[in-house]
Amino acid sequence: GAVVSQHPSWVICKSGTSVKIECRSLDFQATTMFWYRQFPKQSLMLMATSNEGSKATYEQGVEKDKFLINHASLTLSTLTVTSAHPEDSSFYICSASVAVGTDTQYFGPGTRLTVL
Amino acid sequence: KNQVEQSPQSLIILEGKNCTLQCNYTVSPFSNLRWYKQDTGRGPVSLTIMTFSENTKSNGRYTATLDADTKQSSLHITASQLSDSASYICVVRREGKFQFGAGTQVVVTP
Repeated sequence: GAVVSQHPSWVICKSGTSVKIECRSLDFQATTMFWYRQFPKQSLMLMATSNEGSKATYEQGVEKDKFLINHASLTLSTLTVTSAHPEDSSFYICSASVAVGTDTQYFGPGTRLTVL
Repeated sequence: KNQVEQSPQSLIILEGKNCTLQCNYTVSPFSNLRWYKQDTGRGPVSLTIMTFSENTKSNGRYTATLDADTKQSSLHITASQLSDSASYICVVRREGKFQFGAGTQVVVTP
């Protein structure tokens, strides 16, 4: 089956620093990747959708200058949390689809971010 | 208001017992409805997917039903196992957007 990996699986950083999270589709080419954030005991909240080679589309209320998304290749998307603050501490999950508009998205294992 | 409501929020069941989780949605029309299982600290894994014309779909001990008229879906877990302890999320897709329910936290005890 399609496998999506994320790196790192967890990260602790100081307030004010930037953190980069990688999302890779290991055995397929992902035209579209999604980034989600999940707070404890809550469901996934879509942050942005990125298509390879184009700018990401951010959901309402998500600061695009704070959460930088790069989808430079069909197998890699990165999310950079800039100037992280404690309120950015969350579980970040990416998912990937094999084609635009497809019903199937494969989720990564998630990255736990803790900002001190 | 969330367009996908799940109930109960959480439940505890004894190993070997059955349980049913509910998902009510207002998303309309929709392309498909999925049930995911999410283990703590992991990404969601798809269990079943149904289009609006399908009534039931099984995956091992998991059986999902869909009533498009009442906009309700259920996920039935048969003969629960300790490994079934997880959050179960109902997701409705419409026009390329995915609407997530808040999930039902299931704890299976020995």
